Amino acid sequence: EAGVVQSPRYKIIEKKQPVAFWCNPISGHNTLYWYLQNLGQGPELLIRYENEEAVDDSQLPKDRFSAERLKGVDSTLKIQPAELGDSAVYLCASSLRRGLYEQYFGPGTRLTVT
Amino acid sequence: GNSVTQMEGPVTLSEEAFLTINCTYTATGYPSLFWYVQYPGEGLQLLLKATKADDKGSNKGFEATYRKETTSFHLEKGSVQVSDSAVYFCALSDQGGGSNYKLTFGKGTLLTVNP
Repeated sequence: EAGVVQSPRYKIIEKKQPVAFWCNPISGHNTLYWYLQNLGQGPELLIRYENEEAVDDSQLPKDRFSAERLKGVDSTLKIQPAELGDSAVYLCASSLRRGLYEQYFGPGTRLTVT
Repeated sequence: GNSVTQMEGPVTLSEEAFLTINCTYTATGYPSLFWYVQYPGEGLQLLLKATKADDKGSNKGFEATYRKETTSFHLEKGSVQVSDSAVYFCALSDQGGGSNYKLTFGKGTLLTVNP
C-alpha cells in the first residue's frame, strides 16, 4: 500500500513569491491534515479536512495561506506571498476518518524562503 | 490549552545502552498519548500509544506507560541499536468533543546511537 505522497520534497523561493504544495493521501482515507513544522519544534496543525470540507482551519493564517481538497482526495496548500518566516517543513497526513485513528504522515516539503 | 513537554536533546548513547526520554503533559479531560518517531528523510511514524491511565504501549522493544497521577508518558528501551537513531516526538490527543482529536506534539528529542 502506498503511503502519503507529497511534492515537491524541497522548494526554494524568493520572498513575496507564491508557492504550492501537493499531497496525495492514502487511498480511502477520509481525513487529511496539513501541519507546519518549524526547525526544532513539533508539528502544529494548520488545517484538517473531512472529505472535501475544511472542518478545522483555526490555525491557518488566512491572509496568505489557502488550501483546497477537491473531490475529497488530493489536497493543495498555497502561500501567497511567501515571507521569510514561512521557511519550514510542511507535512501532510491522512487517517481513515476522524477520531483516534492513526495518522499517517508524508515525508514533508521543506520550504526555504530567501 | 493542551501542551506536551519532553526532555531536550540531543541524546547520545552507545549501542545496547538503556534509553529513557521523559515526557509530561498538560491537558483537560482524559487524553490519549502517543510516541511518534521520525527517521532521517522520512515522515513521522506512530511508534506506540496508550488511550487510558495505566495502559502500557509497546512496539519494537520500546515501552511507555500512561501515568495519570504524574501526567507522564516516558519512553523507554532496554537496549538501543544504531538503527534507533531518529527524532522522537511525544504527543497527545483530546478525546473528541470540541477539540476533534487534535494532536499536540512536543518539540522532539534527537537520539543518536553510536556503535
